[in-house]
Amino acid sequence: QQQVKQSPQSLIVQKGGISIINCAYENTAFDYFPWYQQFPGKGPALLIAIRPDVSEKKEGRFTISFNKSAKQFSLHIMDSQPGDSATYFCAASTGETSGSRLTFGEGTQLTVNP
Amino acid sequence: DAGITQSPRHKVTETGTPVTLRCHQTENHRYMYWYRQDPGHGLRLIHYSYGVKDTDKGEVSDGYSVSRSKTEDFLLTLESATSSQTSVYFCAIRDRTHETQYFGPGTRLLVL
Repeated sequence: QQQVKQSPQSLIVQKGGISIINCAYENTAFDYFPWYQQFPGKGPALLIAIRPDVSEKKEGRFTISFNKSAKQFSLHIMDSQPGDSATYFCAASTGETSGSRLTFGEGTQLTVNP
Repeated sequence: DAGITQSPRHKVTETGTPVTLRCHQTENHRYMYWYRQDPGHGLRLIHYSYGVKDTDKGEVSDGYSVSRSKTEDFLLTLESATSSQTSVYFCAIRDRTHETQYFGPGTRLLVL
């Protein structure tokens, strides 16, 4: 069974600190790794995504680090702000031949204290 | 919001009753998906569609059926609702040029 394992379940960070969320996967056929951000009462929204041909992707304060050999990837939020408080999900998919089906991690509830 | 609406947004029903949730998109996307979200499980795929009348099962399809008679609408039906189907249901579409999926606002379903 395809699985994506996410940790930690919850994370508390002080304003200005670095938030780090980790994910590990098993299926080596995964070739697309997005991160989603979800606020209470809303649908998940794409934050940033990476493909396995690069080891890092940065967009503003958000960075994905990807380690293909270890089958792990992580989200780093630099200079964390109270407005970043949300639930974050990592995900992975194997491409159009399987319908681009996303397999999600369990989620991390991030709280950034002012 | 990628032009996705879901209806109803909230529903309370009783065990054994049929329930249909609707997902409507305005941008002619080929792929549409239904997920359920439960604490500790993230989002899990129920069914998805890759075109009109073309659907396939996801990882938690038991107890659910879907239909897609036109591009813009993807319906999820619980034939006989059970308390274990109490959840938040999200519809998603896939962008035609990327693998990115965009999610609707969700439907909160309570089965008593």
